[in-house]
Amino acid sequence: GAGVSQSPSNKVTEKGKDVELRCDPISGHTALYWYRQSLGQGLEFLIYFQGNSAPDKSGLPSDRFSAERTGGSVSTLTIQRTQQEDSAVYLCASSPDRVNGYTFGSGTRLTVV
Amino acid sequence: GESVGLHLPTLSVQEGDNSIINCAYSNSASDYFIWYKQESGKGPQFIIDIRSNMDKRQGQRVTVLLNKTVKHLSLQIAATQPGDSAVYFCAENNAGNMLTFGGGTRLMVKP
Repeated sequence: GAGVSQSPSNKVTEKGKDVELRCDPISGHTALYWYRQSLGQGLEFLIYFQGNSAPDKSGLPSDRFSAERTGGSVSTLTIQRTQQEDSAVYLCASSPDRVNGYTFGSGTRLTVV
Repeated sequence: GESVGLHLPTLSVQEGDNSIINCAYSNSASDYFIWYKQESGKGPQFIIDIRSNMDKRQGQRVTVLLNKTVKHLSLQIAATQPGDSAVYFCAENNAGNMLTFGGGTRLMVKP
């Protein structure tokens, strides 16, 4: 596609439920990143996919968080047993190379009530 | 740990004036820096980048300055317009796999 597409744009969920956030990167971009942005804060790195290599999961805050990237394209970030502190905007970015040409999606605003 | 930070959380300028947004970084190994603009409800948008072998780079109405001696990065916006109102982030890369972002500066442009 023309840009990075994320869905849903907004998600309200009850504490304890699981959620799935989707990212459609720019076609041909081999690198895909997930970041979290809490209200009024900077961007916190979560996970990085590069081609067929094993993902860099060093930023995931707990084992409730996981992500997959199928076929080197679409990625899904899953948060299990959501907590109120998980409320944030989850941003996905893709790039054709390691960090050059990072393009962000508009994010998914997650609210856990 | 290494971090990227900003000097001013909020900057208010008059329309038509020049804006300067500052950023301090602590990782001397960083070799690539980017400024992003984030408008409300949107993802960060690339503005301009600079590599560590340069100290200045100019774009359209924007200039990025890099001072490696004091580990300081700045974004200058000429003739600031209302559409420039946003949060601006600096980010650094030190040959790893991801960018490290600063906390952001909100730029408010008064008409």
